[in-house]
Amino acid sequence: QKEVEQNSGPLSVPEGAIASLNCTYSDRVSQSFFWYRQYSGKSPELIMSIYSNGDKEDGRFTAQLNKASQYVSLLIRDSQPSDSATYLCAGGYTGTASKLTFGTGTRLQVTL
Amino acid sequence: DTEVTQTPKHLVMGMTNKKSLKCEQHMGHRAMYWYKQKAKKPPELMFVYSYEKLSINESVPSRFSPECPNSSLLNLHLHALQPEDSALYLCASSQEGGFLGSSYEQYFGPGTRLTVT
Repeated sequence: QKEVEQNSGPLSVPEGAIASLNCTYSDRVSQSFFWYRQYSGKSPELIMSIYSNGDKEDGRFTAQLNKASQYVSLLIRDSQPSDSATYLCAGGYTGTASKLTFGTGTRLQVTL
Repeated sequence: DTEVTQTPKHLVMGMTNKKSLKCEQHMGHRAMYWYKQKAKKPPELMFVYSYEKLSINESVPSRFSPECPNSSLLNLHLHALQPEDSALYLCASSQEGGFLGSSYEQYFGPGTRLTVT
């Protein structure tokens, strides 16, 4: 099993809908998780981090962490065309805290 | 302010050239990273500096040589690269506080697009 797994997509949602991006992780990955947004040709931008079981909300974004299921998700409410990008899920290794493991990314397309 | 700057934005070099990539952050972060990213792939960790000391080298070929002159600066020296080394090179930094939480949030610079001819 890969350490951090994401569906590569593309995930297509209509404008104004909720986009749900999912990520699963293996036992080796620590309890710190991060969501990055990356536009084509640009660098990754940190949009959410989550460390505790449960939900964390920031504006239109909600990150969810379920440690029992080893599952992390990102919800984007009221999706806009400007949200169209690749979303990378990353987790930190226990014991070597500086080392993030990235998933392969999910490409999100928000259609008009 | 979560700004990491990188220069140059674009670099084209021949296989016999020597060049350097530069990265700077003024957030007081004590950990800095070099990543390599190929098209449609996630970033791939190359090196980690923690408190100005090299702490992780992900078995990177010696034609890539990192340097951390001080806590704000990170360089990547390039020599005798191969065409397959063409990629987006990303620098990142994090606070590195020694506990789980926001200290591990990594902030990326805009990257240097490297082409090896």
